[in-house]
Amino acid sequence: EAGVAQSPRYKIIEKRQSVAFWCNPISGHATLYWYQQILGQGPKLLIQFQNNGVVDDSQLPKDRFSAERLKGVDSTLKIQPAKLEDSAVYLCASSPSSGRAYYNEQFFGPGTRLTVL
Amino acid sequence: ELKVEQNPLFLSMQEGKNYTIYCNYSTTSDRLYWYRQDPGKSLESLFVLLSNGAVKQEGRLMASLDTKARLSTLHITAAVHDLSATYFCAVSGSRLTFGEGTQLTVNP
Repeated sequence: EAGVAQSPRYKIIEKRQSVAFWCNPISGHATLYWYQQILGQGPKLLIQFQNNGVVDDSQLPKDRFSAERLKGVDSTLKIQPAKLEDSAVYLCASSPSSGRAYYNEQFFGPGTRLTVL
Repeated sequence: ELKVEQNPLFLSMQEGKNYTIYCNYSTTSDRLYWYRQDPGKSLESLFVLLSNGAVKQEGRLMASLDTKARLSTLHITAAVHDLSATYFCAVSGSRLTFGEGTQLTVNP
């Protein structure tokens, strides 16, 4: 089966510009996650969707980050305006199902490497 | 808040040797995952550990889970260069929380 798809793979922008990332999860996976991975660290969850509803966005900097999953399939993550500290790899992952405290294995996409100058 | 700590963070080892990576976590959890990440690549799932005493093996890697001690280990047997990568453990709570990663380098 096809894996999680993400685009673009690389993006370089200047601070205060806007940027958007796209993710297409594995077919049939109801749950979609966006993670931020800063160089030398483990991934940190930004937002989790169950179908097209938000389950957890407690770690999303909502003053500049937004995400949507309108039809319960593809998702976009936007940063506006970007700051230098947003330089990171943004990973999308999906899993077949999720409950409040029960997580199935997550499958990760290739990531988008963002550099903010 | 769930905390996940790995050690060592950096591990340089010789081919043919055995080593263990440790993953400690702060609160009770029923699921622990090990991932591998090659430079510039995404995360590849290695093991899912679901219960106390769980042990899984794949090739030269073996993972175990002790939920009472809140400890998981990833044991490497007779290391080869191809195992060079960063290894992450991740623990499920209200969300999946990752450790800092162990950067493993296997030298000839």
